[in-house]
Amino acid sequence: AQKVTQAQTEISVVEKEDVTLDCVYETRDTTYYLFWYKQPPSGELVFLIRRNSFDEQNEISGRYSWNFQKSTSSFNFTITASQVVDSAVYFCALSGWGNKLVFGAGTILRVKS
Amino acid sequence: EAGVAQSPRYKIIEKRQSVAFWCNPISGHATLYWYQQILGQGPKLLIQFQNNGVVDDSQLPKDRFSAERLKGVDSTLKIQPAKLEDSAVYLCASSPTPTDTQYFGPGTRLTVL
Repeated sequence: AQKVTQAQTEISVVEKEDVTLDCVYETRDTTYYLFWYKQPPSGELVFLIRRNSFDEQNEISGRYSWNFQKSTSSFNFTITASQVVDSAVYFCALSGWGNKLVFGAGTILRVKS
Repeated sequence: EAGVAQSPRYKIIEKRQSVAFWCNPISGHATLYWYQQILGQGPKLLIQFQNNGVVDDSQLPKDRFSAERLKGVDSTLKIQPAKLEDSAVYLCASSPTPTDTQYFGPGTRLTVL
């Protein structure tokens, strides 16, 4: 069975601080995809990134960066110089064969000015 | 390009009543998904369509939930009769193919009293 664990229920930071959101996954599939979605107060899930299991290269997009380590089954997400607009719930998700998305419980990020 | 559209955005009903939600996917997306997101949890897949056929409905409570996707475009999700535990946000998502990234709509927040 596939499982995603986001151990951090809630994180509070002050604006301009860096923050890392942890994600640990379990799967028996050899080919799988990992995702991060953002859910702002409006409720819509916004796609941030998709990474396949064969690509362990880290990725940076503006203030966002992702660290994928198969050895520890982790796919962590870092926001550099956080802003108030980054306040949201962030979900890590996993899909294997069939593209069925399995989500973690989410991490609430609160960025204070 | 227009995103996934859902209506209504909010619905309040009494238990044992019926309710229906509507979803219009991104144009050209053959795969459509319905998720249930209970407060404080990650979304859980209810049903997946490929065109107008059901691919996965293993987690759909079929005694009270039904869904259809006539003509392979719009979809409706129905609950009849509703229970208190059905209070949740119902999210619709679509993807071009079953292996592509899923894009989500704004969701319908259902409250069952």
